[in-house]
Amino acid sequence: NAGVTQTPKFQVLKTGQSMTLQCAQDMNHNSMYWYRQDPGMGLRLIYYSASEGTTDKGEVPNGYNVSRLNKREFSLRLESAAPSQTSVYFCASSPREGEGYTEAFFGQGTRLTVV
Amino acid sequence: QKEVEQNSGPLSVPEGAIASLNCTYSDRGSQSFFWYRQYSGKSPELIMFIYSNGDKEDGRFTAQLNKASQYVSLLIRDSQPSDSATYLCAVTDGGSNYQLIWGAGTKLIIKP
Repeated sequence: NAGVTQTPKFQVLKTGQSMTLQCAQDMNHNSMYWYRQDPGMGLRLIYYSASEGTTDKGEVPNGYNVSRLNKREFSLRLESAAPSQTSVYFCASSPREGEGYTEAFFGQGTRLTVV
Repeated sequence: QKEVEQNSGPLSVPEGAIASLNCTYSDRGSQSFFWYRQYSGKSPELIMFIYSNGDKEDGRFTAQLNKASQYVSLLIRDSQPSDSATYLCAVTDGGSNYQLIWGAGTKLIIKP
């Protein structure tokens, strides 16, 4: 019963390097999300995909890009990593579109450090 | 700026007592309200959600909503050491059905 799977779990990048965080869900959910969580702050939405084929910016999209590859997969790309992007990143999915926000299921998180 | 405010804690409660966690929000258009639990180093998991004014009970947990006061609370009865975690309050953005506004969380410690 995998749920939401994120890879990698840990990553250290040098400033200016690029990387892609992978996320896949096996619950047939329509909506998927990428959040970052910093100490003392709430989860902040980076990008979301309400349904397959659509993506939209969240609260903090600068420095990131996303791809909704298919219904299962939603990736987050850092094109040129900066120390300010050091954070814990969570992917999440939720069941329905068009009926308001419902329960979100989270992946285990990616702990990213940019040096 | 739409905000969700929580006392960061830590809130220390004796085992077996009632833990009361509070949350206020600024967006009057918010329609749905969620409590998530997050253990240290783990991902958030949903405990309860509430849409209507009043109380909603699920086992040892009760969520309370007062939209007029823009206030949400979570009560945990018969607190157990396993309830020690950070509790995150989240509310829907009144301008979007797909976005949540999150509080920073309250750290709860249940002392045996």
